[in-house]
Amino acid sequence: DAKTTQPNSMESNEEEPVHLPCNHSTISGTDYIHWYRQLPSQGPEYVIHGLTSNVNNRMASLAIAEDRKSSTLILHRATLRDAAVYYCILNSGYSTLTFGKGTMLLVSP
Amino acid sequence: GAVVSQHPSRVICKSGTSVKIECRSLDFQATTMFWYRQFPKQSLMLMATSNEGSKATYEQGVEKDKFLINHASLTLSTLTVTSAHPEDSSFYICSAPSSGVPNEKLFFGSGTQLSVL
Repeated sequence: DAKTTQPNSMESNEEEPVHLPCNHSTISGTDYIHWYRQLPSQGPEYVIHGLTSNVNNRMASLAIAEDRKSSTLILHRATLRDAAVYYCILNSGYSTLTFGKGTMLLVSP
Repeated sequence: GAVVSQHPSRVICKSGTSVKIECRSLDFQATTMFWYRQFPKQSLMLMATSNEGSKATYEQGVEKDKFLINHASLTLSTLTVTSAHPEDSSFYICSAPSSGVPNEKLFFGSGTQLSVL
């Protein structure tokens, strides 16, 4: 799988939007962009995924750059329960996911 | 939505004993399940792919005789850590694809914290 680059950590205040960036300059045409998050002492949780177009669901939005070399996960209003490690992962079609170090999101009240 | 149930959530055992971890898909069938291991402050590392009715596929460096995987039904995969030692202490997590369609999401269990004394 192609590599992704994410900041080690980010901070946000509660009820503010959060934009989590991910760079994937070596992405191939068949790679989907997946986002998962992991709360402390829990298994990862699916957040969102997309290929080319921006995607929205009840948890978040995914904005994909036109050249697909970067993407941004958007949490519209951060809550304390959104504090987690967020993983941006490229998936070329197989179910095995290769996890990087992710971004630790800290949310302050 | 679909749920993957993992049990136990925490286990403490003596060195040399074996520990079994169960992973169940509750409302869907999973012909494939994945087992990950996560050490403190590190990311998840894929250990093996469990295939229903056939042998598991292990990642490089993972001892198949130490980490026994059984996937006897479409809803259950088990990981047995045999003759556990303190260096096997870790957070073990299973997952299963939500469907057979490529690039669909994975569901993860809540993890098992193994502590070997």
